[in-house]
Amino acid sequence: AQSVSQHNHHVILSEAASLELGCNYSYGGTVNLFWYVQYPGQHLQLLLKYFSGDPLVKGIKGFEAEFIKSKFSFNLRKPSVQWSDTAEYFCAVNLNTGTASKLTFGTGTRLQVTL
Amino acid sequence: DAGVTQSPTHLIKTRGQQVTLRCSPKSGHDTVSWYQQALGQGPQFIFQYYEEEERQRGNFPDRFSGHQFPNYSSELNVNALLLGDSALYLCASYGGGEQYFGPGTRLTVT
Repeated sequence: AQSVSQHNHHVILSEAASLELGCNYSYGGTVNLFWYVQYPGQHLQLLLKYFSGDPLVKGIKGFEAEFIKSKFSFNLRKPSVQWSDTAEYFCAVNLNTGTASKLTFGTGTRLQVTL
Repeated sequence: DAGVTQSPTHLIKTRGQQVTLRCSPKSGHDTVSWYQQALGQGPQFIFQYYEEEERQRGNFPDRFSGHQFPNYSSELNVNALLLGDSALYLCASYGGGEQYFGPGTRLTVT
């Protein structure tokens, strides 16, 4: 069964600091990879996704992620965080079947950005 | 264009009771999935409906059942509620290669 690991459970950064959140998955087949964000009191929103092609994907709000197949990793990065980035971040994976296969989520990383 | 909507927003039930949660998918989406998000955890897949049939199921007991209607809306039913069923229940509809999530229903079992 596929699984997703997010090793950083709670990250505290000052505004303008750089961010990198780790995500590793365990599955040997072809997968799609996602990062979702959940702002306080809001629903899950898609930050970015990787299906195929360029392993460096850019998402909304200045976020990017790099797929490294050999390391089964899909780490999320942002060069300079803002206070408004305070949220819970979830990495997710599903099988690349061309249809709506189930998403497997990591346990999430709570990011707190201080002024 | 309305996104995924869910009702009710909050619900409080007693152990042993039954509950029904509702979801309307994003316009044009015909596939609906349900997820359970316990406090401090990532969402866990419950099941998925397409063409009014359950197509995929996660590791949840038979107390969790669902239905999809001809207009693609869906219900999640949970019987014989346990304290451990307290969670945020998320509905997601699929389109354009990604799943769009609703705001969720917060279920508290006392």
